[in-house]
Amino acid sequence: TQLLEQSPQFLSIQEGENLTVYCNSSSVFSSLQWYRQEPGEGPVLLVTVVTGGEVKKLKRLTFQFGDARKDSSLHITAAQPGDTGLYLCAGPPAGRGAQKLVFGQGTRLTINP
Amino acid sequence: ETGVTQSPTHLIKTRGQQVTLRCSSQSGHNTVSWYQQALGQGPQFIFQYYREEENGRGNFPPRFSGLQFPNYSSELNVNALELDDSALYLCASSVMSGRTWDEQFFGPGTRLTVL
Repeated sequence: TQLLEQSPQFLSIQEGENLTVYCNSSSVFSSLQWYRQEPGEGPVLLVTVVTGGEVKKLKRLTFQFGDARKDSSLHITAAQPGDTGLYLCAGPPAGRGAQKLVFGQGTRLTINP
Repeated sequence: ETGVTQSPTHLIKTRGQQVTLRCSSQSGHNTVSWYQQALGQGPQFIFQYYREEENGRGNFPPRFSGLQFPNYSSELNVNALELDDSALYLCASSVMSGRTWDEQFFGPGTRLTVL
């Protein structure tokens, strides 16, 4: 079973600070996705990383896929209260079959004004 | 283009009852996946439907069943409800392209509470 472990599970910081969220696995993933989920809503895809070592930027958010494709990180620069939410990493497990997603347990981020 | 919709938004049931949750796929999507998200956890894959057939199943008992209709909408049925079934149930639609991965678009979910 391919598992994804996220850390930290909870993070509360002040507006303007920087933060990094980690997503780790002992297994190789063909790709990893990062989602953000607001209360009462489904997850919304932020980015997909596919190539080992890949770095993608989305405004103040920087996503990196590990060289071995077993881990990923999300770095937020100058966090704002609007960044508050549940951040989930997810990936399709190896092998053929249903295109299911394996999710991490999530990182609940709170940015205080 | 309408997104993924789910109904109802909230539901309260008692142990032993049965429940049916509904999902309308995004226009043009032929695949529906269902996930269970317990409070404070990430979503867990229940099963996927493609062309009205089950196309993979997660670690859920047979009392969790589903249907996909010709218009690609879908239902999730849960029999003999247990307290641990209380969760947010998410539906995600996608287009099966034959690639390793196709982006899944999630609905807002149905919050099920079992008393």
